[in-house]
Amino acid sequence: EVQLVESGGGLVQPGGSLRLSCAASGFTFSSYEMNWVRQAPGKGLEWVSYISHIGTTIYYADSVKGRFTISRDNAKNSLYLQLNSLRAEDTAVYYCARDGVGDWIGLDYWGQGTLVTVSS
Amino acid sequence: DIVMTQSPLSLPVTPGEPASISCRSSQSLLYINGYNHLDWYLQKPGQSPQLLIYLTSNRASGVPDRFSGSGSGTDFTLRISRVEAEDVGVYYCMQAVQTPITFGQGTRLEIK
Repeated sequence: EVQLVESGGGLVQPGGSLRLSCAASGFTFSSYEMNWVRQAPGKGLEWVSYISHIGTTIYYADSVKGRFTISRDNAKNSLYLQLNSLRAEDTAVYYCARDGVGDWIGLDYWGQGTLVTVSS
Repeated sequence: DIVMTQSPLSLPVTPGEPASISCRSSQSLLYINGYNHLDWYLQKPGQSPQLLIYLTSNRASGVPDRFSGSGSGTDFTLRISRVEAEDVGVYYCMQAVQTPITFGQGTRLEIK
């Protein structure tokens, strides 16, 4: 069974940092591209970042570029998102979502999300 | 960035009746592979989003055949042939033809 489990969220002051993790199981993690998607309280979905299966290609939303860093450790079946210089508008549930390899098949599995709250 | 616009934003439906949601993009979603990179996701209350339809018309694994998708270029539609109580939630269209990936605002389906 495919599972994605996020962790690392919490309450942080503006300007602070957090590192989110996404533990993958039930599939060959190193073969899949991965994404982070967030959802502010009561709002819609916002794509945050993408990383290719071996980490050589990375993209970010303009809203987080220069502040967030996506990475992965295929040996540990884990995806990460380093959040720096956090702002109130970064408050959201952060989901990791699996992408396909080669042909597009959608974001076919999502984790349960981890809540990041930026507040003083 | 490609702007995705959904309508309606709220959709009350009687069980057993059909429903449809429209999604329009500000640019064509036709990719060089000949496919329109438009997906549909459903976020049920209190849950993570789940994939319903990818590449405009392909149902994801386990998705009932009462869900169907159609369209091309900039105009797309999600149809539910007979709405059931378990279909309540917020439906999002999403384009993946170029980064940044962008979502529609969401359409909240509720049961009358």
